[in-house]
Amino acid sequence: QKEVEQNSGPLSVPEGAIASLNCTYSDRGSQSFFWYRQYSGKSPELIMSIYSNGDKEDGRFTAQLNKASQYVSLLIRDSQPSDSATYLCAVKAKTGGYNKLIFGAGTRLAVHP
Amino acid sequence: GAVVSQHPSRVICKSGTSVKIECRSLDFQATTMFWYRQFPKQSLMLMATSNEGSKATYEQGVEKDKFLINHASLTLSTLTVTSAHPEDSSFYICSASDRDRLYNEQFFGPGTRLTVL
Repeated sequence: QKEVEQNSGPLSVPEGAIASLNCTYSDRGSQSFFWYRQYSGKSPELIMSIYSNGDKEDGRFTAQLNKASQYVSLLIRDSQPSDSATYLCAVKAKTGGYNKLIFGAGTRLAVHP
Repeated sequence: GAVVSQHPSRVICKSGTSVKIECRSLDFQATTMFWYRQFPKQSLMLMATSNEGSKATYEQGVEKDKFLINHASLTLSTLTVTSAHPEDSSFYICSASDRDRLYNEQFFGPGTRLTVL
């Protein structure tokens, strides 16, 4: 079982709709979760972080965390073509005394006009 | 805040040469920096974790003698690809963890695209 799993997509949504991106993780002890956006040919950009169960909202983005179900999601409201990118879910892991991020393979989102 | 720079952004070199890539945290002190590699249409692969003033910790399968990492200060880490070969051609990305942030979020540099001829 992969440590962080995401549906590779592509997830295609019309402009103005809500895009829902999902992620599951295997380490029940994980405490910190992150969503990164990566445009083609560019490096990842941090868009959301979440540490507590429930929802966290920032503009058009809402991250949702359910530690009991080991599930984290990202909702993008009023999706725009500029949101078309690969979204990476990342979970912080502590290995050998160092914190590192375990990334999912990413979900490609396509927002069409 | 939390800006990370990388230099160069793009490099083309001949097989057998060495290439140095710099990663700098511009507006924060980074106790820990990370080096990733990404091949086309694949996810990020962590190569190594470096802490200021100590030896880097390499991930399994990454040759430490080929990918030399130096983290000499709280704002600078370097990755040197020694005796580069065409199979080393990839997108190399660093990230830095802000030690003053409670949850140590990682911020990524813009990446360096390496092409070895």
